[in-house]
Amino acid sequence: ETGVTQTPRHLVMGMTNKKSLKCEQHLGHNAMYWYKQSAKKPLELMFVYNFKEQTENNSVPSRFSPECPNSSHLFLHLHTLQPEDSALYLCASSQDLDSDTQYFGPGTRLTVL
Amino acid sequence: ILNVEQSPQSLHVQEGDSTNFTCSFPSSNFYALHWYRWETAKSPEALFVMTLNGDEKKKGRISATLNTKEGYSYLYIKGSQPEDSATYLCAFTVGNQFYFGTGTSLTVIP
Repeated sequence: ETGVTQTPRHLVMGMTNKKSLKCEQHLGHNAMYWYKQSAKKPLELMFVYNFKEQTENNSVPSRFSPECPNSSHLFLHLHTLQPEDSALYLCASSQDLDSDTQYFGPGTRLTVL
Repeated sequence: ILNVEQSPQSLHVQEGDSTNFTCSFPSSNFYALHWYRWETAKSPEALFVMTLNGDEKKKGRISATLNTKEGYSYLYIKGSQPEDSATYLCAFTVGNQFYFGTGTSLTVIP
């Protein structure tokens, strides 16, 4: 079983829908991350949580709302998205913020119609 | 935003060929350089973390070198196999921030 799981793997939503992406890590890590990958662009960091507290928000629009109820779970709530938000959303975790390695989930492929 | 560049963007090699690709990064404020292997529809998998100038790491047929003074790292694959087909990502870290390149997509033709 992979250490970081994400659901759903694929999501199609309209611009007026509300949906949530879920990430779970089974590695006992304290830090969790959301990344966005648009076509032909590098991974962009969106949010960082450390011990359930948000430590980084990289100027992400408010239509993306993260939630971290505990160190093992991370959600990304989506509301009134735009077609340009269509991308692959990856979750990652690390032992702590200064860790050498981040461990990634397989991502959620999001399409906004 | 720090610029991390990878080249080439993609390449196709025959099974058995050896290949290499490059990651370029800013040489100031260096903390660590990471290589990840990312197969389609799977999670990116960490290959190497390198922190010291001159570091060389090896994992089976894959190896990597690091030059922090000139800001580049090479990834080498010896005797490529079809299962090596993947996108290879590098990431440069400053403090706890990861800055990723766009990756090199490798296809190994049987």
